[in-house]
Amino acid sequence: AQTVTQSQPEMSVQEAETVTLSCTYDTSENNYYLFWYKQPPSRQMILVIRQEAYKQQNATENRFSVNFQKAAKSFSLKISDSQLGDTAMYFCAFMKHVRVNSGYALNFGKGTSLLVTP
Amino acid sequence: GAGVSQSPRYKVAKRGQDVALRCDPISGHVSLFWYQQALGQGPEFLTYFQNEAQLDKSGLPSDRFFAERPEGSVSTLKIQRTQQEDSAVYLCASSTISGTSEQYFGPGTRLTVT
Repeated sequence: AQTVTQSQPEMSVQEAETVTLSCTYDTSENNYYLFWYKQPPSRQMILVIRQEAYKQQNATENRFSVNFQKAAKSFSLKISDSQLGDTAMYFCAFMKHVRVNSGYALNFGKGTSLLVTP
Repeated sequence: GAGVSQSPRYKVAKRGQDVALRCDPISGHVSLFWYQQALGQGPEFLTYFQNEAQLDKSGLPSDRFFAERPEGSVSTLKIQRTQQEDSAVYLCASSTISGTSEQYFGPGTRLTVT
């Protein structure tokens, strides 16, 4: 079984600053995906960024980037130039590699509540 | 295009009542997932459909929970004889099967059992 741990229940950052959210996971799989999802107060879960475990290069999406350390089983999210709209719950999630004609569920951490202040 | 929709958005049920929660996935999405999210927690997997076939129901907490997707599109999650511990947000997600793994989530149904 896979477990995902987010050790920071709450974090706060000032607008325009940079913040890093931590995530560690435990798995015996060699091939898998990792995700960060954002859940604003309206509760619609939105994909922020994803990383394939076989790729060494860290994924980047505009102001969002990850630091993926496969050996350490660590997957942190860095948000640069934080904006008020970044205020939300952030969930780290793990998925086993998807093969054709099958699908796997996401294993989520407990989340980190991020507050961006003016 | 339209995203995943769920109805109702809010449901209050008295303990012992049956409830039915609906999910309309993105058109053409083959995979459909149901998750349960308790207050202050991350979502937890309940069940998975590929078209109309329920391939994994290992996350359903008891035999009071039942899900179906008879025509491979709309899905219904039914909870019989609701208990207080069933109070949670129920999330539906859909995805394609094309080697990609992104799941698109609906807004959820908040169930409160009194």
